[in-house]
Amino acid sequence: DIQMTQSPSSLSASVGDRVTITCRASQYISTYLNWYQQKPGKAPKLLIYAASTLQSGVPSRFSGSGSGTDFTLTIISLQPEDFATYYCQQSHSIPRTFGPGTKVDIK
Amino acid sequence: QVQLQESGPGLVKPSETLSLTCSISGGSIYNSYWHWIRQTAEKGLEWIGRIHTSGSTNCNPSLESRVYLSVDTSKNQFSLRLSSVTAADTAVYYCARDSGITIFGVVTQYYFDFWGQGTLVTVSS
Repeated sequence: DIQMTQSPSSLSASVGDRVTITCRASQYISTYLNWYQQKPGKAPKLLIYAASTLQSGVPSRFSGSGSGTDFTLTIISLQPEDFATYYCQQSHSIPRTFGPGTKVDIK
Repeated sequence: QVQLQESGPGLVKPSETLSLTCSISGGSIYNSYWHWIRQTAEKGLEWIGRIHTSGSTNCNPSLESRVYLSVDTSKNQFSLRLSSVTAADTAVYYCARDSGITIFGVVTQYYFDFWGQGTLVTVSS
């Protein structure tokens, strides 16, 4: 199985801050990497697929980059509705695997 | 807009079989992979398996011996059965649709674009 790790596991930020979350795969996955946002009691919501493609309807303050094993999710100018947990997920191979999540909370 | 809805018992006894159904509305069940994913505080998001409307399935090796996936295209539904459950199977269970990018007729770069709201299943006597 491909293991996904994320850092940091949590962070505190203020509205307007730039936030960067990293995700690392245990082996090469090209750009088969997706990012999701999850709020308490809700299902994960797709933000970015194929490492850098913004899902329709997702604000442009979200962006993704990377390929191979190292990936980044960036939120420029954090908004109040962005406080949530973020997960990366690889779709390179079965079984699909997720990172452990990064919780973004209010400083 | 595709909508998914999980249904099934919220409480299952140890050693029994967990059964869930995912109903799809607002879109066709055909020509897609449909997934089950579960979430616990301890293990996070765990992929259980997927089924295509052709009947093809793949499961997580860690659960494969206990998982049975099926699809009913006439009802626009797909289902999960997980046998011999223990407390470790207590989780929020989600169904989700797989979409991808088609390049030269081949679908690649899969991602979960639609999810059900999730249903909590507790394993307890």
